[in-house]
Amino acid sequence: NAGVTQTPKFQVLKTGQSMTLQCAQDMNHEYMSWYRQDPGMGLRLIHYSVGAGITDQGEVPNGYNVSRSTTEDFPLRLLSAAPSQTSVYFCASSYSGHNNSPLHFGNGTRLTVT
Amino acid sequence: GEDVEQSLFLSVREGDSSVINCTYTDSSSTYLYWYKQEPGAGLQLLTYIFSNMDMKQDQRLTVLLNKKDKHLSLRIADTQTGDSAIYFCAEKGTGGYQKVTFGTGTKLQVIP
Repeated sequence: NAGVTQTPKFQVLKTGQSMTLQCAQDMNHEYMSWYRQDPGMGLRLIHYSVGAGITDQGEVPNGYNVSRSTTEDFPLRLLSAAPSQTSVYFCASSYSGHNNSPLHFGNGTRLTVT
Repeated sequence: GEDVEQSLFLSVREGDSSVINCTYTDSSSTYLYWYKQEPGAGLQLLTYIFSNMDMKQDQRLTVLLNKKDKHLSLRIADTQTGDSAIYFCAEKGTGGYQKVTFGTGTKLQVIP
């Protein structure tokens, strides 16, 4: 099983550029989410989705957009990259019908904005 | 909002027990989790405990929950060099759909 797949693994952007981080899961999970991981700050929730066509903001949504047109895919868009968005980004998914369904994580995208 | 705190580093000798501690603030937490992150990888679920339990044991792992003090610990018996990783405590409360709050992570270094 592929699980949660993120692409690319690494990306370097210049300030002001835009890009899309891709996330796909093959587990038929309703819930998908994006986190960013920064040293000493743990994981912070950016956006999440409880099903196709439904998205909502997490803790740190500014500067990011998401959409959920299919159950499998949940791309994260950076509209105008800033150095403060240098981070490691993780996509995670889970079933939403089971209260204890744990999050399954991708291997992350390491983004550097210069 | 909810807060989950952990110490940043722990160093132990191979063969010793490791104890990683975590405190949280959400009194409505339903599940508490321990995730492991190896270098260059995502987080993998190690174990979890339901909030009405005090202890859970799974091979070398023992999770203790003190709900009154909102304190969670993970004990790894006979720690091996392969246990070197970052360990994240996380809690799921009732405030928001599937909302999971993570701690800062504890980096465990195992000295041979």
